[in-house]
Amino acid sequence: EPEVTQTPSHQVTQMGQEVILRCVPISNHLYFYWYRQILGQKVEFLVSFYNNEISEKSEIFDDQFSVERPDGSNFTLKIRSTKLEDSAMYFCASRLLAGGINEQFFGPGTRLTVL
Amino acid sequence: AQSVTQPDIHITVSEGASLELRCNYSYGATPYLFWYVQSPGQGLQLLLKYFSGDTLVQGIKGFEAEFKRSQSSFNLRKPSVHWSDAAEYFCAVGSPSQAGTALIFGKGTTLSVSS
Repeated sequence: EPEVTQTPSHQVTQMGQEVILRCVPISNHLYFYWYRQILGQKVEFLVSFYNNEISEKSEIFDDQFSVERPDGSNFTLKIRSTKLEDSAMYFCASRLLAGGINEQFFGPGTRLTVL
Repeated sequence: AQSVTQPDIHITVSEGASLELRCNYSYGATPYLFWYVQSPGQGLQLLLKYFSGDTLVQGIKGFEAEFKRSQSSFNLRKPSVHWSDAAEYFCAVGSPSQAGTALIFGKGTTLSVSS
């Protein structure tokens, strides 16, 4: 069964460093998402991506964040200068269609720890 | 404001007993409704979804949920819990009118199963 994959499963970084989280969405899906979950808090939407551009973003997704689909299969989230409060579980999701009734499929997440 | 409330942070149920996890939402219109489950080290797996029609929906692993418009609720139930059901459960809502819209999640309920 096709699934969304994410690498790495756990990333430890120093404050101020850049990190890139990688996701491989399900191959025929068209919509891609990043969510995050700070420990003990809700899963929060960061950004959605469709047709090679950002479709929607939340207040959390500030200038420190960027997304890219560099090669037609990977979908990346970059944090330019990490802060302690960026420590969280980051989930990638993909969705088959732009419209209609279809759900998002989630990856296993990347746990980011900023020291 | 749009929100999802899962009032129970942690529930412990005996194996074989019935289960009900509560979910209430605040939304401008009737949203699409989802329950996801997350086992340790795994991604968010869709248990079931409600878009329209019959308000009692069946999902995977023997779960069901009932949409009650008057109560803005979408409670998850299972008649007989198995030890493998121990996991974190998330209720989520999505817009029925905007394609590709992000999901809004509740904080989750951790289910423990005792023998």
